[in-house]
Amino acid sequence: TQLLEQSPQFLSIQEGENLTVYCNSSSVFSSLQWYRQEPGEGPVLLVTVVTGGEVKKLKRLTFQFGDARKDSSLHITAAQPGDTGLYLCAGAGETSGSRLTFGEGTQLTVNP
Amino acid sequence: DSGVTQTPKHLITATGQRVTLRCSPRSGDLSVYWYQQSLDQGLQFLIQYYNGEERAKGNILERFSAQQFPDLHSELNLSSLELGDSALYFCASSPSGTPYNEQFFGPGTRLTVL
Repeated sequence: TQLLEQSPQFLSIQEGENLTVYCNSSSVFSSLQWYRQEPGEGPVLLVTVVTGGEVKKLKRLTFQFGDARKDSSLHITAAQPGDTGLYLCAGAGETSGSRLTFGEGTQLTVNP
Repeated sequence: DSGVTQTPKHLITATGQRVTLRCSPRSGDLSVYWYQQSLDQGLQFLIQYYNGEERAKGNILERFSAQQFPDLHSELNLSSLELGDSALYFCASSPSGTPYNEQFFGPGTRLTVL
C-alpha cells in the first residue's frame, strides 16, 4: 500500500509570510499532483509534476518533485488570505491509469 | 467549474435508509472515481469505473455499490445507512490517454444520516 504523509497538518500564518508544505512517501510515484480544496467544495487540481527534480511555478506557488519521485513540496511566497484552504498532495502509481493515493492534507489559514 | 456534476448537493436521511448519489463526468472522460471524505479520515478512495466496467476498488463497504451507465454517468448506492456514513461524497473523472491520472472533482454531495 502506498502512503503519502503531509506536513504540517495545520498551518496558521500572517499575510505576507512564506510557507512550505511537504509531502513524503517511501514509494515511488509516476506523477504527483497538488490539489486545493475549500470548505464544502471539491478539490481543484493545481499542478501535476512528473519528472524527478521537476520544479513548476504557478504565480506565487512553487511545486517541486523530489529527485527520486518519492516526495514533493509546495512553497507559497507572500501568502494572502485567498490562499486559505486545504492543500492535498496525491500520487499516481507506476502503472498507467492507476488510482491516486491522497495525503491527509495541510489546512492553511492566512490571517489578514 | 470542473465540468463534473453531482446531484443532489445535500441529502438528509435516517439510519437504515438507502440513497443514490449521481455523477456526470466531464465530456469525453471515460473514468469515474468515487471518494468519501469525513472529518477524521480525509479523502478515501471508494471505487473506480472505466467505460462502464469496474476498474479498481478501495475501502468500499459491502453496503455500498456503484455502477457506470452507457452514457458514462455513474451512481453510488448507499444502503442500510449508519450514522458513521455521514460525510462528503465526491465524484471525479479523468481523461483517457494520459498516464498521469489527473482527476477533476465534482462539487460533492453532503450526506447527513440522522
